[in-house]
Amino acid sequence: EVQLVESGGGLVKPGESLRLSCAASGFIFSNAWMTWVRQAPGKGLEWVGRVKGASGGGTPDHAAPAQGRFTISRDDSTNTLHLQMSSLETEDTGVYYCVREGYNYGHHALEIWGQGATVTVSS
Amino acid sequence: QSALTQPASVSGSPGQSITVSCTGTSSDIGGYNYVSWYQQHPGKVPKLIIYAVSNRPSGVSNRFSGSKAGNTASLTISGLQAEDEADYYCSSYTSNTNLVFGGGTKLTVL
Repeated sequence: EVQLVESGGGLVKPGESLRLSCAASGFIFSNAWMTWVRQAPGKGLEWVGRVKGASGGGTPDHAAPAQGRFTISRDDSTNTLHLQMSSLETEDTGVYYCVREGYNYGHHALEIWGQGATVTVSS
Repeated sequence: QSALTQPASVSGSPGQSITVSCTGTSSDIGGYNYVSWYQQHPGKVPKLIIYAVSNRPSGVSNRFSGSKAGNTASLTISGLQAEDEADYYCSSYTSNTNLVFGGGTKLTVL
């Protein structure tokens, strides 16, 4: 069974850092493009960024709001995706989803979603 | 990258058909056939229902269909059912290798 399980969410103060992780199982992780999507309370979906699979060189792409503050990385030896977030702002509050992108259903389709990790940034 | 434009809400009666539009630019929807649609019920995880403009993943009802004309993509739900009441989001690949989402459309089944 394909599974994505996020961890590391919590309550932090503005300016602090937080690292989310996503444990993947049930598929060949190294081949998969992996993406982070977030959703602020009561708001829509927002693409945070991705890290390509082996065929794409394993390189990351980050959305503009995440540039310079967020870093997406992967550890293919442990089948884990990471999102390192620094200088967090209240606007970063929301649910962060780990998502498998374009594995079975073509490029850039967000096929499998984790249950999400809740991040709350508040003083 | 600005979000794609979707209507905030649409509604329909059981058995009817509804269409949700998603408007972008030539740098996203108009330039690539990588439009996807997602369904999200309240408190639930989003689910892929359409990929590559008009393709359905395995297990998704054929009442859901997608299309694209120019810079606008559309999701049509036919034979509307109560269980279709949810939020719907479009997304597209963009010229700067990113993904961009629409703001979401709340579907109400009357």
